[in-house]
Amino acid sequence: NAGVTQTPKFRILKIGQSMTLQCAQDMNHNYMYWYRQDPGMGLKLIYYSVGAGITDKGEVPNGYNVSRSTTEDFPLRLELAAPSQTSVYFCASSYDSPGSYTGELFFGEGSRLTVL
Amino acid sequence: ILNVEQSPQSLHVQEGDSTNFTCSFPSSNFYALHWYRWETAKSPEALFVMTLNGDEKKKGRISATLNTKEGYSYLYIKGSQPEDSATYLCAFLSGNTGKLIFGQGTTLQVKP
Repeated sequence: NAGVTQTPKFRILKIGQSMTLQCAQDMNHNYMYWYRQDPGMGLKLIYYSVGAGITDKGEVPNGYNVSRSTTEDFPLRLELAAPSQTSVYFCASSYDSPGSYTGELFFGEGSRLTVL
Repeated sequence: ILNVEQSPQSLHVQEGDSTNFTCSFPSSNFYALHWYRWETAKSPEALFVMTLNGDEKKKGRISATLNTKEGYSYLYIKGSQPEDSATYLCAFLSGNTGKLIFGQGTTLQVKP
């Protein structure tokens, strides 16, 4: 079982470039999430999805876009990259709502992005 | 803006010590509280999902309690071992959404 797979693991971008971070899960989970981790700041929620075709903003959505055309995939798009988007990005999924006992999050290994 | 606070920020203990740390969250519109363990160079892994006031969960030497009326949860580690060294994150859910908000974590270092 692959679990949650993120690609790429590392990427360096120039200011103003765009890119997509890929996330796929093979656990048939309904909920998917994107978080970013900044030093000393814990994990900040960027966007989440409760199912295919449904997405919603998290705490820090500005500068990002998402789509959820299938249950398995939840790509995160960065448009016009800025140095403030230098971070480690984590994708996660859960079978059920995080309000349920079966709503624990399963995380990918992270993608380290540097914007210069 | 929902504030989820964890204390202390870091903790150093000797092997065999028992320890505990706190997660504070808004007491209104509580829906769930999660605890995760995050080892260096790995991804966070779930410890507990707690949904009811008074919930107590246990997994081996690690246990957690929940007080939703006053807005706090405690995580306890009994007889700490070096392999318990990690960052422990709590996450709060307000309302039945997917908007799970994390605290900044407590980093535990257990010295042999």
